[in-house]
Formats: sequence, C-alpha cells, structure tokens
Amino acid sequence: DGGITQSPKYLFRKEGQNVTLSCEQNLNHDAMYWYRQDPGQGLRLIYYSQIVNDFQKGDIAEGYSVSREKKESFPLTVTSAQKNPTAFYLCASSIGLITNYGYTFGSGTRLTVV
Amino acid sequence: AQKITQTQPGMFVQEKEAVTLDCTYDTSDQSYGLFWYKQPSSGEMIFLIYQGSYDEQNATEGRYSLNFQKARKSANLVISASQLGDSAMYFCAMWSNYQLIWGAGTKLIIKP
Repeated sequence: DGGITQSPKYLFRKEGQNVTLSCEQNLNHDAMYWYRQDPGQGLRLIYYSQIVNDFQKGDIAEGYSVSREKKESFPLTVTSAQKNPTAFYLCASSIGLITNYGYTFGSGTRLTVV
Repeated sequence: AQKITQTQPGMFVQEKEAVTLDCTYDTSDQSYGLFWYKQPSSGEMIFLIYQGSYDEQNATEGRYSLNFQKARKSANLVISASQLGDSAMYFCAMWSNYQLIWGAGTKLIIKP
C-alpha cells in the first residue's frame, strides 16, 4: 500500500543535540512538507519541497534544516538552535503544490527534549 | 492576513446525532480551497473533504458534508449520524498561495 512512513514514532533529545526525523513516501508525490503541532494548536509549516534538490522555508524554519536528495525522502533535522523543539512533527506529501486532493500525512514523530 | 478560525475548542455529541463543526476563514484571494481533516488520538491526519472556492455545490463525502457559505466566509463540516469512532480532533484548513493554513481544531467527543 502507498503511504508515508515517519520514523521514529517517539524521539528523545538531550539539550544541544541535533536529531533527524525520517520521512519516506512511495506515492510518487512531487511535493513534501514538514509541519509542527503543539498542544491545542493547528499545524505550522516548517519547510516544504516541490521537487528534488529544492526546498523552501515555511513560517517557522528557524532551528530546522531539510534535504531533498530523492523524490521519496524528505528528512528533517532539528538543530540545537531550535530553542523549544518538544512537539509533534508531521510529514505530508501531495501530488503538487496546487492540489484539491489534499495532503497525505504520516503518523508523526513525537519529539521530547530531556 | 489569511486566517482560519475554529471557535469551538470542544464538543460533546450524543451518538447517532448530527454534528456541525464551525470554520470561518479570511482571505483576499479569489482562488482558494478548504479542507477538513480528522486527527484521532493516534496522531495521523486523515483527509475528509474538500471544497474549492469556485465550486457551486457543497461537497459531500459519505457522512461528511461541507456547508460552504462564500459570502459569509464559512465552511462548516456536518457529520450525519455520528458514531463513536468519530471522536477525534477536527481541523479546518485553507489552501491559498501554495500552502495550507490551519485552524486550531475542535475536539469532538461522541457519547454512547
């Protein structure tokens, strides 16, 4: 079955560490996205990518980095510069940036700073 | 500024009753799209229904329908004959200018 796989499901990070969240899709979608979700809030866009080797900052890109070396993969690195990284992170994909088919989401990664 | 407002933080509804979840939006764009997503406690976001700004008829998908009132800038989700499995967070989102803008969500709890 086609879908998006995010790993790990739970991630614990020490202060000052960089961590990388994995996102893989086999839907042949061109566009991929990373969102952050905090309790009681909607999703906020971190980064998005329309094609391989190209990505754009979203509303809250500071302290995060991404790469898009393959169409299927869009990993997110949470760097030590991100002051409050504890949150739920969702990866999504869509056929294109302009779509009425909605986004397909992964099951998320819950990151906790310890 | 583009914005999505969901004014109901939480709702309790009796099983088998219909429920309406409110969503108002603000945009100056002429072309936009409106989505509703369901997020169960497991965390994944599930696409429910879509309405384009130029669509003249309200969108329907099974038990879900979208009450689109363009002049009032509202896009309420109606769930008919609610089921226990409908208990979840529900998010309204607006696609405009190459990104989705999200509301804060409504937590729906279906009582048996």
